[in-house]
Amino acid sequence: AQSVSQHNHHVILSEAASLELGCNYSYGGTVNLFWYVQYPGQHLQLLLKYFSGDPLVKGIKGFEAEFIKSKFSFNLRKPSVQWSDTAEYFCAVAGGGYNKLIFGAGTRLAVHP
Amino acid sequence: SQTIHQWPATLVQPVGSPLSLECTVEGTSNPNLYWYRQAAGRGLQLLFYSVGIGQISSEVPQNLSASRPQDRQFILSSKKLLLSDSGFYLCACKGSETQYFGPGTRLLVL
Repeated sequence: AQSVSQHNHHVILSEAASLELGCNYSYGGTVNLFWYVQYPGQHLQLLLKYFSGDPLVKGIKGFEAEFIKSKFSFNLRKPSVQWSDTAEYFCAVAGGGYNKLIFGAGTRLAVHP
Repeated sequence: SQTIHQWPATLVQPVGSPLSLECTVEGTSNPNLYWYRQAAGRGLQLLFYSVGIGQISSEVPQNLSASRPQDRQFILSSKKLLLSDSGFYLCACKGSETQYFGPGTRLLVL
């Protein structure tokens, strides 16, 4: 069965610190990978996605993620976080048809000014 | 682009009471629709999906059911709520490359 594991449940950073959130998935077939973000009081929204091609994908607000097939990983990075990045981040994988998404448990990021 | 409406936004219900959560979608036709739940400390779990009117697939055995009486309406129901049904329920709609999510309903069963 497919599963997604996010390594950090809570992360606290100061502004300008670098961020890396880990995500590993288990699935034997072709997968599409996503990072979603939920800012306080807002809808869950797409941050970035990987379908194929360049394994380094760039998303909104300066975020990027790297797909490493051999490690089944899709880690999210940002070189310098801002207070406005405080949110909950979810890694997800789609596979097996009907665009069903399997989510990780989420990581709550708090950025202090 | 799609807009997803969910109501109510929050709900507190006693154990054993019935449940009906509604989701409606604007801006698209014949979409794939999904119900997810996020329990405390856990990720989003897919509960049901629907590819058309009257077509419901269940992903996990549970105390809940879903129905799709109209093309852009998706309803989550229960006849008797359990404490374990507490959580945050999200409705989603398939877009061109990903899914769009509604604002969610926070359900607390006491």
